[in-house]
Amino acid sequence: DAGVIQSPRHEVTEMGQEVTLRCKPISGHNSLFWYRQTMMRGLELLIYFNNNVPIDDSGMPEDRFSAKMPNASFSTLKIQPSEPRDSAVYFCASSISDIQYFGAGTRLSVL
Amino acid sequence: GQQVMQIPQYQHVQEGEDFTTYCNSSTTLSNIQWYKQRPGGHPVFLIQLVKSGEVKKQKRLTFQFGEAKKNSSLHITATQTTDVGTYFCANAGGTSYGKLTFGQGTILTVHP
Repeated sequence: DAGVIQSPRHEVTEMGQEVTLRCKPISGHNSLFWYRQTMMRGLELLIYFNNNVPIDDSGMPEDRFSAKMPNASFSTLKIQPSEPRDSAVYFCASSISDIQYFGAGTRLSVL
Repeated sequence: GQQVMQIPQYQHVQEGEDFTTYCNSSTTLSNIQWYKQRPGGHPVFLIQLVKSGEVKKQKRLTFQFGEAKKNSSLHITATQTTDVGTYFCANAGGTSYGKLTFGQGTILTVHP
């Protein structure tokens, strides 16, 4: 298996633009997690899905953030409009038990 | 999952020295997991401990789960430069969804 696949690996955008991050979980995994990591705040859980259904989005910082999982093999995290403080590394992880497998992450820079 | 506090936040060692990071909770944990994140990389699962007093070893790494299941430690014997990175402990809350509560992580630097 190729593991959790995230795209793009790097994204540089200007403030106010829409940003879409993509994630393909490991086949057969039924839970998917979106995290944000910064030096200041560490690793933060934004939202997670189980069987494609959002379970807890209490970590989503603002209404500017939204996430979808239209099917078992794809999820998106969208930021609209983006702001400089959204600059971070965004990780997607999937699991079928308690063990989580992380993607390589998307490094987002909002100028 | 229950909150887990991890100490120290940073640790600088000379190559060959030992290293230990600790994970503590005020409540009983159902299990504890350890992850390693290399600089510029992503968290990678190392091990899971479930039983009270459990000790597991992976080469130079020794993982312990406290008797009361409220604390855990990761000990590295004779560190190498390849050990650099951030070590996280995490607790699964016992739900069926696999959600983890991560500690703040310990950043390990190894000087050659």
